[in-house]
Amino acid sequence: SQQGEEDPQALSIQEGENATMNCSYKTSINNLQWYRQNSGRGLVHLILIRSNEREKHSGRLRVTLDTSKKSSSLLITASRAADTASYFCATAQETSGSRLTFGEGTQLTVNP
Amino acid sequence: DTAVSQTPKYLVTQMGNDKSIKCEQNLGHDTMYWYKQDSKKFLKIMFSYNNKELIINETVPNRFSPKSPDKAHLNLHINSLELGDSAVYFCASSQGTGVRLKLFFGSGTQLSVL
Repeated sequence: SQQGEEDPQALSIQEGENATMNCSYKTSINNLQWYRQNSGRGLVHLILIRSNEREKHSGRLRVTLDTSKKSSSLLITASRAADTASYFCATAQETSGSRLTFGEGTQLTVNP
Repeated sequence: DTAVSQTPKYLVTQMGNDKSIKCEQNLGHDTMYWYKQDSKKFLKIMFSYNNKELIINETVPNRFSPKSPDKAHLNLHINSLELGDSAVYFCASSQGTGVRLKLFFGSGTQLSVL
């Protein structure tokens, strides 16, 4: 069954604005990861947040995790046209070993 | 110097044919995967190999057979292709199988079955 669900499905913003994407999941997790997929390319790992962490930063990326609500958000600040891509959350459960379960993704379009 | 490379990039074939997709990684990882991405971009794991041993085998028709000749290579052979097999197939690799693994993906093989 699908673990992650993302919201919104699509987001269109202007360059310089911030973009926020949300991910909800159903079961207990060990960690949650965010990946980016440019059109016609494979997914690229962006950031991993552990279940005992609440917030993590990497450059212009800020990820939050609320395990009580089983949700995470990815914030991209000062967006650029090059940030245009699909963004996926992926969850790793304690007992799932090497099985990452991906959400449906959010298509972000940053207009120049 | 591509980290995870898969071939071919595009595969167009008729129903009933047999086809193979090849994947190679030069990251020194010991675990490799096949994922399938459907037209709605939903990504689902199919198989995983760790040190050439099959460790994940999801509910996939037995027309799909993975093979890992060594740690750096993972191939996917598909028999008797069906229309529903049309999708993008991604190879990925990771170091280890722990829950904090990070996946490195190839650029995908777009399979179109006519």
